[in-house]
Amino acid sequence: AQSVTQPDIHITVSEGASLELRCNYSYGATPYLFWYVQSPGQGLQLLLKYFSGDTLVQGIKGFEAEFKRSQSSFNLRKPSVHWSDAAEYFCAVVSMTTDSWGKLQFGSGTQVVVTP
Amino acid sequence: EAGVAQSPRYKIIEKRQSVAFWCNPISGHATLYWYQQILGQGPKLLIQFQNNGVVDDSQLPKDRFSAERLKGVDSTLKIQPAKLEDSAVYLCASSFGLAATGELFFGEGSRLTVL
Repeated sequence: AQSVTQPDIHITVSEGASLELRCNYSYGATPYLFWYVQSPGQGLQLLLKYFSGDTLVQGIKGFEAEFKRSQSSFNLRKPSVHWSDAAEYFCAVVSMTTDSWGKLQFGSGTQVVVTP
Repeated sequence: EAGVAQSPRYKIIEKRQSVAFWCNPISGHATLYWYQQILGQGPKLLIQFQNNGVVDDSQLPKDRFSAERLKGVDSTLKIQPAKLEDSAVYLCASSFGLAATGELFFGEGSRLTVL
């Protein structure tokens, strides 16, 4: 069965420091991968997505993610965090199995706290 | 462009009572989704509509949950009777195409507390 795992439940980072959020997937073929962000009291917003091609993808708000097939990972990064980046981040993969084709499956999320 | 609208934002009920949530997707979006997000977990798909037809409802607890999208636009999710474990945020999302290739646009969610 396909799955997506976010090993870190909670991360605290200082404003201006770099941020990396981990995402691992379990899938036989090249998956479609996404990162969404959920600010407090808000719905989820797409940060970036990877379908194929260049393994380093740029997203909104200064975020980027790198697809590494050998590590089954799709980690999210930002060089310098702003206080407004405090939110919950979800990695997601689109299922390509016969019984659930096209279904977007989310990880359990990583809560990011930004300190002054 | 107006986003996905959901109401009510908050609802508190006692177990065994019923509740209904409403969603109006972005205009022109054919696909509508209802997700359940329990505290500390990622969103879980309950049901997916393509226009007014159900594409996937495999994780919808059909003994108590129902959803409809009669005219292919707005949708209602109902829970009857509610259980304690139904306490969650119910997120509605819409997309122009299928989730596989398109971006999902989410509403702010309806937070349900079952006492």
